[in-house]
Amino acid sequence: DIQMTQSPSTLSASVGDTVTITCRASQTINNFLAWYQQKPGKAPHLLIFAASSLQSGVPSRFSGSGSGTEFTLTITSLQPDDFATYYCQQYDSYSRTFGQGTKLEI
Amino acid sequence: EVQLLASGGTLVQPGGSLRLACAVSGFDFSTKAMTWVRQAPGKGLEWVSTITGSGDGTYYADSVKGRFTISRDNFKKTLYLQMDSLRADDTAVYYCAKDRGNWGHDACDVWGQGTMVTVSS
Repeated sequence: DIQMTQSPSTLSASVGDTVTITCRASQTINNFLAWYQQKPGKAPHLLIFAASSLQSGVPSRFSGSGSGTEFTLTITSLQPDDFATYYCQQYDSYSRTFGQGTKLEI
Repeated sequence: EVQLLASGGTLVQPGGSLRLACAVSGFDFSTKAMTWVRQAPGKGLEWVSTITGSGDGTYYADSVKGRFTISRDNFKKTLYLQMDSLRADDTAVYYCAKDRGNWGHDACDVWGQGTMVTVSS
């Protein structure tokens, strides 16, 4: 299976900051990479698919980039609603895998 | 509005069986692959299984292969997960989710609210 490694595990930031979360795949995944946001007790919410395509309805302060094995999620001008846990997921293979998550804290 | 409503989660003994269901509305169910993802208490997300729109393609995580069976009824617009030989490490919230497409490997763009399965004696 393809392993996904996210960093950092925890990230502390303030409202208005810009933050970046990194996700590395154990092999190339042809940009089949998604980012999700999850708040406590809630289902995940799709932010980005195909490494850099913004899901409909998601604010433009969220952006994704990268290719091959290294990908990033950038959030600019952090809002109070953005403090949550973020997961990357590869779907290059039929056996999809998630990163371990990054908790974004105030 | 697209909606997914998962149900069937409960307390079950080790070695037991359980069937989860996910009733959907608001989209053409038969044209989209569907996925189950689980989350153990305090842990991250784990992909469990995916089924294509027609049901002819099914895919499983190694951790559940041979014990879980995914299926769907396109007339009833319902997704199922039959879970047999349950173990304590199957304890989790189980989410059903709609894939963006019908290829069997895709991102999930709509998620249900989750249903809790607890495996314990």
